Amino acid sequence: NAGVTQTPKFQVLKTGQSMTLQCAQDMNHNSMYWYRQDPGMGLRLIYYSASEGTTDKGEVPNGYNVSRLNKREFSLRLESAAPSQTSVYFCASRGPERGEQYFGPGTRLTVT
Amino acid sequence: AQKITQTQPGMFVQEKEAVTLDCTYDTSDPSYGLFWYKQPSSGEMIFLIYQGSYDQQNATEGRYSLNFQKARKSANLVISASQLGDSAMYFCAMRERYNNAGNMLTFGGGTRLMVKP
Repeated sequence: NAGVTQTPKFQVLKTGQSMTLQCAQDMNHNSMYWYRQDPGMGLRLIYYSASEGTTDKGEVPNGYNVSRLNKREFSLRLESAAPSQTSVYFCASRGPERGEQYFGPGTRLTVT
Repeated sequence: AQKITQTQPGMFVQEKEAVTLDCTYDTSDPSYGLFWYKQPSSGEMIFLIYQGSYDQQNATEGRYSLNFQKARKSANLVISASQLGDSAMYFCAMRERYNNAGNMLTFGGGTRLMVKP
């Protein structure tokens, strides 16, 4: 049981480049989330998807777009990367009972 | 106002001793959940323990227990018999029910725990 997987693990972009972070979960969860974690800080929610076919903005959505491709997959796209988007990105899915979230291993993104 | 406050940026504990990590929260929602996560240096986020606002007893999971004081709005994590592998960042998080269709979590800033041999 893989849980939540993310690709890539590491990425370096130049300012203005675009990329898509991939996330998949095999726990049949309805809700999925994208967070960013800046050095020495907690997690901040970028976007979430409460169910297949829906997406909503979180606390820090500017500069990002998301796609809930199907129940398993939730991708995060940076259209024009900026140095301020240098961070570690986590994808998570939500368990149905207590609401705990299960996280992927993270993607460390550097924008130069 | 901060919804989740962790006032201890860093703490040391001697191996085999118990340690308490503080978390206070702010909500007017009577129905909420509190979570603790561990983030070791490898970076992954590991779910540790959950406490619901209506739970009558404090949650326990192995060496982890949650000292839930509802009137004080605190949900401190207690780790008993600390091990070297407990050295990590620890995050407290809250899920409110009201106006939270996405069941989003709000995280605190974290506490770095270092276990001394």
